[in-house]
Amino acid sequence: DAGITQSPRYKITETGRQVTLMCHQTWSHSYMFWYRQDLGHGLRLIYYSAAADITDKGEVPDGYVVSRSKTENFPLTLESATRSQTSVYFCASSEYGPDTQYFGPGTRLTVL
Amino acid sequence: KQEVTQIPAALSVPEGENLVLNCSFTDSAIYNLQWFRQDPGKGLTSLLLIQSSQREQTSGRLNASLDKSSGRSTLYIAASQPGDSATYLCAVMGNSGGSNYKLTFGKGTLLTVNP
Repeated sequence: DAGITQSPRYKITETGRQVTLMCHQTWSHSYMFWYRQDLGHGLRLIYYSAAADITDKGEVPDGYVVSRSKTENFPLTLESATRSQTSVYFCASSEYGPDTQYFGPGTRLTVL
Repeated sequence: KQEVTQIPAALSVPEGENLVLNCSFTDSAIYNLQWFRQDPGKGLTSLLLIQSSQREQTSGRLNASLDKSSGRSTLYIAASQPGDSATYLCAVMGNSGGSNYKLTFGKGTLLTVNP
């Protein structure tokens, strides 16, 4: 049982490039979330999704785009990467809303 | 806006000691409170979830309490072991209505258990 996976695990890109981070879960959980973790800020919610084709903004959505055409996938796209988007990105899922969230291993993104 | 504070930021103890990690939050309108551990370079592992109607939850050597009215939670670790060394994160799920089941995280307590 793979659970929740993220790819790539590490990514280096340049300012202005488009980058897509992938998240896949095998549990058929309804809810999926994207967080970023930065020193001094902790974990902050970027976007979340309550079901396929239903997404909404979190605390820090600017510069990011999400989609969820299938229940198991929740990709996060940085349309034009900036240095301030250098961070560790975590995807999470939960079976229903007010439930335990299960986290993926993270993607460490560096924007040069 | 919900704010979550964890004290202390770092804690170092000898093996075998019992210890308490503290978490406080500013808005008592919550669905639940969750404790996670994070090992260096890894994702978060869920430890305990306490519903807003509950007072405590136990799992093995871990016991978490919740006092919603005062905005406080504690994580008690009994008989600590070197393998418990990690960052412990407290997160509160707000009850703001709709489908926004957002977790607000504290910045964590870095625990080191020395052999």
